[in-house]
Amino acid sequence: QKEVEQNSGPLSVPEGAIASLNCTYSDRGSQSFFWYRQYSGKSPELIMSIYSNGDKEDGRFTAQLNKASQYVSLLIRDSQPSDSATYLCAVRWTGRRALTFGSGTRLQVQP
Amino acid sequence: EPEVTQTPSHQVTQMGQEVILRCVPISNHLYFYWYRQILGQKVEFLVSFYNNEISEKSEIFDDQFSVERPDGSNFTLKIRSTKLEDSAMYFCASSDGTSVNNEQFFGPGTRLTVL
Repeated sequence: QKEVEQNSGPLSVPEGAIASLNCTYSDRGSQSFFWYRQYSGKSPELIMSIYSNGDKEDGRFTAQLNKASQYVSLLIRDSQPSDSATYLCAVRWTGRRALTFGSGTRLQVQP
Repeated sequence: EPEVTQTPSHQVTQMGQEVILRCVPISNHLYFYWYRQILGQKVEFLVSFYNNEISEKSEIFDDQFSVERPDGSNFTLKIRSTKLEDSAMYFCASSDGTSVNNEQFFGPGTRLTVL
């Protein structure tokens, strides 16, 4: 069974701080990794994707992938109250197009 | 910016009735998907569709479910005989299929309530 695991949180950080969200996955045969943001009652919104080991930066967001250790993380710099949401990690396994989602980590940014 | 649209936003139906959920994927995308999210649970894959046929489906997507692209823009999910446990948010997504990552973009969802 291929699994994607996330700490449910809530992760609480003060405004302006760095929020660090982590995700582990069970299968080394994984091709691509995605971070989505989901506000309560809304649909998943793609933040960024990564498929190579290392860091990928996009504005205030940095995704980090370590395939040997089977984890992917998302750093949010200068966190804002509007960043308060559930962050979903998703994995696309090799040979498939379907995404397998984790249960999400709820982030709370305190003003 | 192009986006996936879905109708209706909320559908209420009686157990045993048929429902059709509609989606308009992003216009130049080639791959279409349906996912569902039961309240408080994970987003779960149902089915993917490419070149007018199902390319992949999950165990959830049994004989009561079907998908169709009836014209050049719409993509539909039909549930033949709804059950109470079908109550969930249903999300349509699409991807262009050309990027290495196959990024999928989600619509706003249809909330299905089965009474």
